[in-house]
Amino acid sequence: GAVVSQHPSRVICKSGTSVKIECRSLDFQATTMFWYRQFPKKSLMLMATSNEGSKATYEQGVEKDKFLINHASLTLSTLTVTSAHPEDSSFYICSAGSAYEQYFGPGTRLTVT
Amino acid sequence: EDKVVQSPLSLVVHEGDTVTLNCSYEVTNFRSLLWYKQEKKAPTFLFMLTSSGIEKKSGRLSSILDKKELFSILNITATQTGDSAVYLCAVEARTSGTYKYIFGTGTRLKVLA
Repeated sequence: GAVVSQHPSRVICKSGTSVKIECRSLDFQATTMFWYRQFPKKSLMLMATSNEGSKATYEQGVEKDKFLINHASLTLSTLTVTSAHPEDSSFYICSAGSAYEQYFGPGTRLTVT
Repeated sequence: EDKVVQSPLSLVVHEGDTVTLNCSYEVTNFRSLLWYKQEKKAPTFLFMLTSSGIEKKSGRLSSILDKKELFSILNITATQTGDSAVYLCAVEARTSGTYKYIFGTGTRLKVLA
């Protein structure tokens, strides 16, 4: 079946640095990918919709200059957390798929110290 | 504002019990409702519902959608400890050729042996 991968699975960085998370669709082309953030014991919060070849659509309250999204190809979207702070520590999950089903990546746990 | 609400927030049952999880929604341009099971990492797909009144079934799990009353239920019969997880409901909303998924708060189910 369709698989979505994320890299890295876990990252620890210092406050003020930037971190890039990759989301890849492994056996299908994804013109649209979604980025979610999940706090402990909370549901998924949609951050943005990543569109191949165009600008991402951000949800209200999500800073586009802080969470940079680049969807450069039909199989790759990246989320860059710029100038990370401890409050950015979270579980970030991407998803991609068709109108019928969304496949989720395994997630990236970001810890900012 | 689009909204998806799940109830109960948490539930503790014993093995063999039957549980019913609820998901209600207020979403512009509803397209489908999806149920996911989330254990330690990313959610896994359970069902997608688009039509009212048609039950979808997979083993001990079943789900149905009521588009008039704007809700869905997920039933799990003869629960097992392996059913312990967070169950997420998501609604697909489509607007002008784009689509996104709005997640509910989730129901945390714990099944005791």
